Amino acid sequence: AQSVSQHNHHVILSEAASLELGCNYSYGGTVNLFWYVQYPGQHLQLLLKYFSGDPLVKGIKGFEAEFIKSKFSFNLRKPSVQWSDTAEYFCAVNARPDKLIFGTGTRLQVFP
Amino acid sequence: ETGVTQSPTHLIKTRGQQVTLRCSSQSGHNTVSWYQQALGQGPQFIFQYYREEENGRGNFPPRFSGLQFPNYSSELNVNALELDDSALYLCASSNRDLSSYEQYFGPGTRLTVT
Repeated sequence: AQSVSQHNHHVILSEAASLELGCNYSYGGTVNLFWYVQYPGQHLQLLLKYFSGDPLVKGIKGFEAEFIKSKFSFNLRKPSVQWSDTAEYFCAVNARPDKLIFGTGTRLQVFP
Repeated sequence: ETGVTQSPTHLIKTRGQQVTLRCSSQSGHNTVSWYQQALGQGPQFIFQYYREEENGRGNFPPRFSGLQFPNYSSELNVNALELDDSALYLCASSNRDLSSYEQYFGPGTRLTVT
């Protein structure tokens, strides 16, 4: 069965620190990969996605992610976080058009 | 372009009751997916409706059912509510005729079962 693992459940950073959130998935075939963000009190929003091509994808607000097929990973990165990046981050995969499989999420807190 | 909307925002029900949640899909989308997000967890896929037909289902019992209407809006019905059904229910719309598989989420309905 397909699954998604997010290793960091809670990350606390100071502003300007660099961020890397881990995401690993289990599925042997072709997948589409996503990172969603949920800001406090807001709905899930797409941060970035990977379908094919360049494994380094850039999203909104300075986020990027790298797909490493050999490691079944899709880690999220940002060189310098801001207080406004405080949110819950979800990695998701779909191998079929009908469903997304989400990880359990990583709560990021950024302090000024 | 109107986003995905859900109603109601919050709902409190008693164990054994039935509930109906509603979702209006984004303009131009023909597919609605429903997810359950328990506290501290990621969203779990319940089912998807494409052109008014159920098109894929997750590991949820038959007391979770749904509908999609000709305007592509959708309902999620849950019968015989249990305490564990307390969660945030998310609706996501997409256009399955495109290859992008991007889903756009609504704000959710917070269901509390007492």
